[in-house]
Amino acid sequence: SQTIHQWPATLVQPVGSPLSLECTVEGTSNPNLYWYRQAAGRGLQLLFYSVGIGQISSEVPQNLSASRPQDRQFILSSKKLLLSDSGFYLCAWSTGGGYNEQFFGPGTRLTVL
Amino acid sequence: KQEVTQIPAALSVPEGENLVLNCSFTDSAIYNLQWFRQDPGKGLTSLLLIQSSQREQTSGRLNASLDKSSGRSTLYIAASQPGDSATYLCAVPLSSGSARQLTFGSGTQLTVLP
Repeated sequence: SQTIHQWPATLVQPVGSPLSLECTVEGTSNPNLYWYRQAAGRGLQLLFYSVGIGQISSEVPQNLSASRPQDRQFILSSKKLLLSDSGFYLCAWSTGGGYNEQFFGPGTRLTVL
Repeated sequence: KQEVTQIPAALSVPEGENLVLNCSFTDSAIYNLQWFRQDPGKGLTSLLLIQSSQREQTSGRLNASLDKSSGRSTLYIAASQPGDSATYLCAVPLSSGSARQLTFGSGTQLTVLP
């Protein structure tokens, strides 16, 4: 069976510090991978998605970036965090090709102070 | 632009009641619709995926229906239990642009009282 992991589970960072959140998927090959953000009182917003190694699409202009160094690894990064980057970050995967069911990880709670 | 609305925003019911959660979308040219559950501070758990060619999908006490022409889906929960308390979200793929993006509703927060 497939499982998706995210770490860290929680993170408190000062404004201006760098960020690296990691997501890995087990039990599947060549998945589509997604990063979403859920801010307090707001819905889920898609930030990035990837259909393969090194292939990243950005949905929202921001100071975040994503990378996919391996088939089942997806990383969300920032060089300098802003207060507005606080939120709950969720990674998801789906099988490749078409409109397939998405499965979500446990999330990372990021607080920027 | 696809917009997804969920009504009610919050619902509180006594244990044992059958209940219906509603989801509406503005663009009926969808490929599927997915229902999720989110517990506080947790990720999303996929409950049901209904393909555009289907009208219903069932899993245990959950039954989801889809009416594309009217832009509506309902999630029916039978014999509700306190463990069903969570936020329920529906989502549809965008009808234009990347096929892989989901547009989410804002959710219905369900509380089942023992």
